[in-house]
Amino acid sequence: AQSVTQLDSQVPVFEEAPVELRCNYSSSVSVYLFWYVQYPNQGLQLLLKYLSGSTLVKGINGFEAEFNKSQTSFHLRKPSVHISDTAEYFCAVSVSQGAQKLVFGQGTRLTINP
Amino acid sequence: SQTIHQWPATLVQPVGSPLSLECTVEGTSNPNLYWYRQAAGRGLQLLFYSVGIGQISSEVPQNLSASRPQDRQFILSSKKLLLSDSGFYLCAWSRWGAPNQPQHFGDGTRLSIL
Repeated sequence: AQSVTQLDSQVPVFEEAPVELRCNYSSSVSVYLFWYVQYPNQGLQLLLKYLSGSTLVKGINGFEAEFNKSQTSFHLRKPSVHISDTAEYFCAVSVSQGAQKLVFGQGTRLTINP
Repeated sequence: SQTIHQWPATLVQPVGSPLSLECTVEGTSNPNLYWYRQAAGRGLQLLFYSVGIGQISSEVPQNLSASRPQDRQFILSSKKLLLSDSGFYLCAWSRWGAPNQPQHFGDGTRLSIL
């Protein structure tokens, strides 16, 4: 069965510093991977997705992620964070069993300090 | 473009009372529809999903039920709420027959049980 592990529950960083949020997945079949962001009291917004092709995918708000098949990882990065990036970030893997379903990690709370 | 609406945004209900949360999608046909619950400080738990009118799959045994009376309408219900039903409920949709496509989320309903 597919699963997703987000290795850090909380990540504090200073404004304008780089950040990496780690995500590892387990799957025995081809995967589709996603990163979502959730601001307080809001739904989830898609940041980026990996479907196939180039292993480096770029998303909204300056985020990017790299798919590494050998390490079964899909880490999210941003070279310089802003206060407005403070949010919860979720990694997810797609499971297709009749209907498309997503398996989510437990989330990483990113806190940006001035 | 497609949009998803959830209501109400917040709800406070006494233990033992009934529940009805509604979700509608616009701008697409025959979407897959999903209900998730997010407990405080935790990840997302898939409750129900639907691939068509009247077709409901339950992921976990619980005090809740779901119905899909129309193509783009998804309803989450309970006859008698429990304290453990408190949480943040999210509705989502994805394109039918496209396992590599992301899910798109509504803004959620914050449910508090007293």
